[in-house]
Amino acid sequence: AQSVAQPEDQVNVAEGNPLTVKCTYSVSGNPYLFWYVQYPNRGLQFLLKYITGDNLVKGSYGFEAEFNKSQTSFHLKKPSALVSDSALYFCAFSGGGNKLTFGTGTQLKVEL
Amino acid sequence: GAVVSQHPSRVICKSGTSVKIECRSLDFQATTMFWYRQFPKQSLMLMATSNEGSKATYEQGVEKDKFLINHASLTLSTLTVTSAHPEDSSFYICSARATGGRSTEAFFGQGTRLTVV
Repeated sequence: AQSVAQPEDQVNVAEGNPLTVKCTYSVSGNPYLFWYVQYPNRGLQFLLKYITGDNLVKGSYGFEAEFNKSQTSFHLKKPSALVSDSALYFCAFSGGGNKLTFGTGTQLKVEL
Repeated sequence: GAVVSQHPSRVICKSGTSVKIECRSLDFQATTMFWYRQFPKQSLMLMATSNEGSKATYEQGVEKDKFLINHASLTLSTLTVTSAHPEDSSFYICSARATGGRSTEAFFGQGTRLTVV
């Protein structure tokens, strides 16, 4: 079955340090991959997507992600983390029926 | 970006009653909307796909008679939790995608926290 996996339940990073939230995919054909962020008791906000083209995708709030076909990964990155980046992050792929299927989520905690 | 509005954001109801949640696309037309359920610290579970002018498509294991979905217009889908029980307490989120298919991002409502007492 097609899926995305987020191997880390939680990531802790100090403010100002680079952050990485990992995502790997198992999707046939050309994968359409997305990153979303969720703040407490809120819906999800779109960060960025990879459809085709450049492997490095830039998105909202200074986030970027690199599509790596050989490693089947789509890790989310930011050069310098902020405390306000603390939230729940979801990787997702777009499959049949226009459905989005989400990973299990990674809680990012950025500390001073 | 596009806006999806979900209402109410929070509702408390008694066991046995029904609750209706509305999802509106404010600045675009959505022929398809999606309803998710999220348990604490867990991922989103797709419940059903709401299709404008036709019956919703439910995911396996989701009771269609309990979770009634109506998509009467291109900007409004509703989810009604019928005869609610405490185990239905959860966070419900709707989303919509503009035309363009798989490559377009989905926009999400703010979510509805349902508590059944």
